[in-house]
Amino acid sequence: EVQLVESGGGLVQPGGSLRLSCAASGFIFSSYWMSWVRQAPGKGLEWVANIKQDGSEKYYVDSVKGRFTISRDNGKNSLYMQMNSLRAEDTAVYYCCGGDGMDVWGRGTTVTVSS
Amino acid sequence: QSVLTQPPSASGTPGQRVTISCSGSSSNIGSNYVYWYQQLPGTAPKLLIYRNNQRPSGVPDRFSGSKSGTSASLAISGLRSEDEADYYCASWDDSLSGWVFGGGTKLTVL
Repeated sequence: EVQLVESGGGLVQPGGSLRLSCAASGFIFSSYWMSWVRQAPGKGLEWVANIKQDGSEKYYVDSVKGRFTISRDNGKNSLYMQMNSLRAEDTAVYYCCGGDGMDVWGRGTTVTVSS
Repeated sequence: QSVLTQPPSASGTPGQRVTISCSGSSSNIGSNYVYWYQQLPGTAPKLLIYRNNQRPSGVPDRFSGSKSGTSASLAISGLRSEDEADYYCASWDDSLSGWVFGGGTKLTVL
């Protein structure tokens, strides 16, 4: 069964940091682009970042450039997102997605940025 | 404001056919594939249509996608109560070097 499981979310103060993780199983992780997509409370979907199969290409939405870093470890079938200088507007459910067209989605992990 | 434009809401009665539009530009829909996602209440999004008009295995053929120029549409025929959900279109944007989503359409089955 194809599965993506996110972890690492939580409550953090503005300016703080968090590292999200996503464990993949049931497919050849190293063969696919991977993405992070977020959804603020009551709002729509927003793509955050993605990374090529070998990690050689990474793209970010403007609002997180310089603050968030996406990475992957194909040996561990895992995707990561290091989030620094967090702001209130980063509060959202963060989904890990796999595939060229974001074919498969995890259940998400909640990040709350608040003092 | 989203780069891709969708109507905020749509509705239909059981058995009806409804369509949801998605309007973009030459840098996204006009030059790249369109994807559609269904998000049932309280759950993660699920891929419904990929590469404009392809259905993943398990998605009923009641769902179909099309694209023309810088616009795309999702059609749902034989509407059922379990189709009540939020629907999002997405495409890669060459100018932004990133994925862009529509604002989402909330479908109500009356």
